Amino acid sequence: GAVVSQHPSWVICKSGTSVKIECRSLDFQATTMFWYRQFPKQSLMLMATSNEGSKATYEQGVEKDKFLINHASLTLSTLTVTSAHPEDSSFYICSASPGIRVETGELFFGEGSRLTVL
Amino acid sequence: GENVEQHPSTLSVQEGDSAVIKCTYSDSASNYFPWYKQELGKRPQLIIDIRSNVGEKKDQRIAVTLNKTAKHFSLHITETQPEDSAVYFCAAPSYNFNKFYFGSGTKLNVKP
Repeated sequence: GAVVSQHPSWVICKSGTSVKIECRSLDFQATTMFWYRQFPKQSLMLMATSNEGSKATYEQGVEKDKFLINHASLTLSTLTVTSAHPEDSSFYICSASPGIRVETGELFFGEGSRLTVL
Repeated sequence: GENVEQHPSTLSVQEGDSAVIKCTYSDSASNYFPWYKQELGKRPQLIIDIRSNVGEKKDQRIAVTLNKTAKHFSLHITETQPEDSAVYFCAAPSYNFNKFYFGSGTKLNVKP
């Protein structure tokens, strides 16, 4: 199957700093990328949908200025957690799709990034 | 938007027994329903999916059934093995099919 790489796999930062997480599709062009947040023992909460070259679409309740998403190319999307605080500590995971419509079933996940804010 | 509910949240079975996980969805226009398996510390991976033009699909020990009228679909795992232990997520597409909404997940524990 297609490969999606996410980096870093884990990061520890001080409160108030910003952290950038990268999501790359290694062997296909990802028209659409998704960012999720996963709390312990909980589901994948969709944060935003990004399409290459356009602004991300955020889900209700997700702060746009807090979680900056950039999808500058067909193989790379980044999530920047700005001015991180302990409550932002979580597991962030991306997924990528080669198409705009997900019903093709082709949705590939990255390995996830565990963020710990001290 | 689409509302996906998944039950149970945890399921413990003896090796060799069957396991069933059920999901309901709200948008009657949804026509594609995947199931993902996430092992501890790993990424979710697609294990089986079903489209609305069929009522059941099987792949070895795994099957998915769909009831469009009742708007629910289920994952069935037969002859469970310890390596089936993981968290399973169902998903349904949004009304414009440009994203998925996931169920809350079911932690399956297969006891040897």
